[in-house]
Amino acid sequence: GAVVSQHPSRVICKSGTSVKIECRSLDFQATTMFWYRQFPKKSLMLMATSNEGSKATYEQGVEKDKFLINHASLTLSTLTVTSAHPEDSSFYICSARVIGTGAGGYTFGSGTRLTVV
Amino acid sequence: AQSVTQLGSHVSVSEGALVLLRCNYSSSVPPYLFWYVQYPNQGLQLLLKYTSAATLVKGINGFEAEFKKSETSFHLTKPSAHMSDAAEYFCAVSEMNQAGTALIFGKGTTLSVSS
Repeated sequence: GAVVSQHPSRVICKSGTSVKIECRSLDFQATTMFWYRQFPKKSLMLMATSNEGSKATYEQGVEKDKFLINHASLTLSTLTVTSAHPEDSSFYICSARVIGTGAGGYTFGSGTRLTVV
Repeated sequence: AQSVTQLGSHVSVSEGALVLLRCNYSSSVPPYLFWYVQYPNQGLQLLLKYTSAATLVKGINGFEAEFKKSETSFHLTKPSAHMSDAAEYFCAVSEMNQAGTALIFGKGTTLSVSS
């Protein structure tokens, strides 16, 4: 089945540094990738939607200059948290539509636990 | 905008008991609805989905859900809980925005199973 590989699974970084999270579609082409953020014991909040070759569309309240999303190819999308601060610590998950399965086909990465110290 | 409401942030059952996790949706058009399970520090696993075919949807691990338009509900059930069912459960609805059709999640329900 369609698999999205997300790396790293865990990352600890110092405040002020940048962190890049990668999501790769292994056996399909991910035309559209979604990025979510999950706070502890909270729901997944949609941050942005990215289409290959286009600028990402960010949800209201999400800082596009802090959370840089690149979707340069059909198999790779990245989220870069720039100048990270402790409040950016969270669980980030990517998701891709699986074309050919109608509106019912989504696959998720395994998530990245970001801790900013 | 589409949305889902999960009633009850925490549900506790005994092993072998019925599991009922509630989800109500708000949608102006026939929705596509999903139930996902999440184990600690992991991504989401699809349990089942409703895409306007049969209203009773059977999923993995013995779970099923029934789409009831009159009640705008899509509750998740399992006849007999196992200890391994303890996890976080999310109901979701697909919503089309200008960039694509994303999943919008409810706040989640933590299921605890006691022996």
